[in-house]
Amino acid sequence: AQSVSQHNHHVILSEAASLELGCNYSYGGTVNLFWYVQYPGQHLQLLLKYFSGDPLVKGIKGFEAEFIKSKFSFNLRKPSVQWSDTAEYFCAVTSYNQGGKLIFGQGTELSVKP
Amino acid sequence: DTAVSQTPKYLVTQMGNDKSIKCEQNLGHDTMYWYKQDSKKFLKIMFSYNNKELIINETVPNRFSPKSPDKAHLNLHINSLELGDSAVYFCASRKPGQGGTEAFFGQGTRLTVV
Repeated sequence: AQSVSQHNHHVILSEAASLELGCNYSYGGTVNLFWYVQYPGQHLQLLLKYFSGDPLVKGIKGFEAEFIKSKFSFNLRKPSVQWSDTAEYFCAVTSYNQGGKLIFGQGTELSVKP
Repeated sequence: DTAVSQTPKYLVTQMGNDKSIKCEQNLGHDTMYWYKQDSKKFLKIMFSYNNKELIINETVPNRFSPKSPDKAHLNLHINSLELGDSAVYFCASRKPGQGGTEAFFGQGTRLTVV
């Protein structure tokens, strides 16, 4: 079955530190990949997405992610985090052959200390 | 002009009651979802509809019954509410397939069963 795994449950960083959140998926076909952010008490918002083309994807607020097909990975990065990046981050995957099923990872809570 | 809107935002009710959550999207998408987010922030897909037809039902108890009167609406009715139904329920929509989009989420409905 299709699944998404996020390696880190809770990450605590100081402001200006670099961030990398891991995401691996299990489906071997053609996939679309997403990172969503959920600020406290809010709904999910898209950070970035990969459909095809350049595997290095740039998103909003200085985030980027790299799709490595051979590793089934789509890790999220940011060179310098801010206190306002404190949120829950979700990796998600969908594939063309799964009826549009969008599967989420378990989420990673990011806490940035000022 | 909210793209995906859910009502109500908060719902507090007693065990055994029946309640409904409504969702509407104005994006012209064919696919709509219901997700349940538990206290650990895990997002679990419940249902997916494509153009008013149920395509995904993730072993949700039959007390939960989605209804899609048209492709812009996907409502969730819950019978005989239980304490374990307490969660945040998110509606989402997307345009699937190779020319597809990311999922757009509603603000969520926080259901508390007492």
